[in-house]
Amino acid sequence: SQELEQSPQSLIVQEGKNLTINCTSSKTLYGLYWYKQKYGEGLIFLMMLQKGGEEKSHEKITAKLDEKKQQSSLHITASQPSHAGTYLCGADRGSGSARQLTFGSGTQLTVLP
Amino acid sequence: DTEVTQTPKHLVMGMTNKKSLKCEQHMGHRAMYWYKQKAKKPPELMFVYSYEKLSINESVPSRFSPECPNSSLLNLHLHALQPEDSALYLCASSQEGLAGRDEQFFGPGTRLTVL
Repeated sequence: SQELEQSPQSLIVQEGKNLTINCTSSKTLYGLYWYKQKYGEGLIFLMMLQKGGEEKSHEKITAKLDEKKQQSSLHITASQPSHAGTYLCGADRGSGSARQLTFGSGTQLTVLP
Repeated sequence: DTEVTQTPKHLVMGMTNKKSLKCEQHMGHRAMYWYKQKAKKPPELMFVYSYEKLSINESVPSRFSPECPNSSLLNLHLHALQPEDSALYLCASSQEGLAGRDEQFFGPGTRLTVL
C-alpha cells in the first residue's frame, strides 16, 4: 500500500517567515494532492500535482513534485496567521474510475503574530 | 454552488441508537466518499460511490451502512456503534472524469460521539 511520510510533524514559525513542508512516498506518485485543515473542520483543497517536475502556486503557497515523482514539497512565503492549520498531502492510489486517496499524517503549522 | 454540505454538525448517540449522517452536493459530481478521521490522525477512506453505485468498501464494519439515493445525496446509516467509533466523519465528492485526476471537495464533517 502507498505510504506517505510528512515532515516535520509540527512547525512553529514567526509571522513573515518562510517555511517548507515535505511529503515523501514509498511508491511513485501518480497524483499528489495538498489539503489544509483547520481543527475539527473539513479539508480545503490547495493544489494537485501530476507530472514530474511540476510546480504550482496559489497566492503565497507553492507546491512542487520532484522529477522522480516520489517527493513533494509545499512552500509558504511570508507566512501569516491565516496560514495556520494542518497540512495534509494525499496520494491517489486508485486505478479505477473513483479516486482513492491515502493521506500523510499531516503537518501542524502554528504562525505566531 | 461549489460546496459539500453535511448534517448534522454534531451528533451524540448511545450504543443502541440508530442514526444517519447526510451529505449533499450540487456540483454534478458523480463520485462521493465517506471518510473517518480520529483526533490528530489523517482521514481514512471508508466508502466510495461512483455513479450511485458502491465501488469501494474499505472493510468497514456492517454497523456502518452507506446509501446513495441519487447523484446529489449520500447517507451513512449508523446502528449499534461502539465508543471507539467516535470521530469526525467527512464526506467528499469529485467530478469523476474519465481522463486525468480531479480533486475531492470535502464537507465540514459531522462530529460523532458514541456514549
